[in-house]
Amino acid sequence: EILLTQSPATLSLSPGQRATLSCRASQSVDLNLAWYQQKPGQPPRLLIYDALNRATGIPARFSGSGSGTDFTLTISSLEPEDFAVYYCQQRSGWPPKVTFGPGTRVDIK
Amino acid sequence: QVQLLESGGGMVKPGGSLSLSCVASGFSFKDYYMTWIRQAPGKGLEWVASTGSGNGYTGYAESVEGRFTISRDNADNTLYLRMNSLRPEDTAVYYCARDVRGDVLLTYALTAFDIWGRGTMVTVSS
Repeated sequence: EILLTQSPATLSLSPGQRATLSCRASQSVDLNLAWYQQKPGQPPRLLIYDALNRATGIPARFSGSGSGTDFTLTISSLEPEDFAVYYCQQRSGWPPKVTFGPGTRVDIK
Repeated sequence: QVQLLESGGGMVKPGGSLSLSCVASGFSFKDYYMTWIRQAPGKGLEWVASTGSGNGYTGYAESVEGRFTISRDNADNTLYLRMNSLRPEDTAVYYCARDVRGDVLLTYALTAFDIWGRGTMVTVSS
């Protein structure tokens, strides 16, 4: 089973700052990586799929990069509504299995 | 409006059973892989099970294999999860979610989930 680790566990930043979140896979997942945002009491919201494609309606300040085992979600300039928990997710193997990372919380500093 | 609406959650004793439903609207349900994902209170996300449409595919997490059964009724646009032999560690909000791509081979499925329901809470406790 491929494990995902996310770092840091918590990121404390101010509005307007740049956020850089990391997701590392224990084996290569090629480009099969997605990022989600979750706010309290809400379901997750898809931000990025295939490592770098923004989902429908996602603002351009969110971008994804990476391939293989190392991936990054960047929020270029934090808006107040961006403070939330962010999860990465991969799909691999045959038959395919899905795993999620443990999450990174982005807090207001 | 594209929407998923789960129901069927509740409280059940360990060893008991429960069935969840997820009604889809606003898209061609039969064309999409569908998935159940759960989240224990204060914890992260955990994939539970997925199903294709027309290809017979079902996949399960090791933690639920043999106890949970995913199924679907394309005529009624409904996804199901039958949960048997429930354990306290199955306590969670259960979400149904749609694949980001429709009408694809399994090779390209389960890479991301773009539509989620609001979830239904399952509590397993004596």
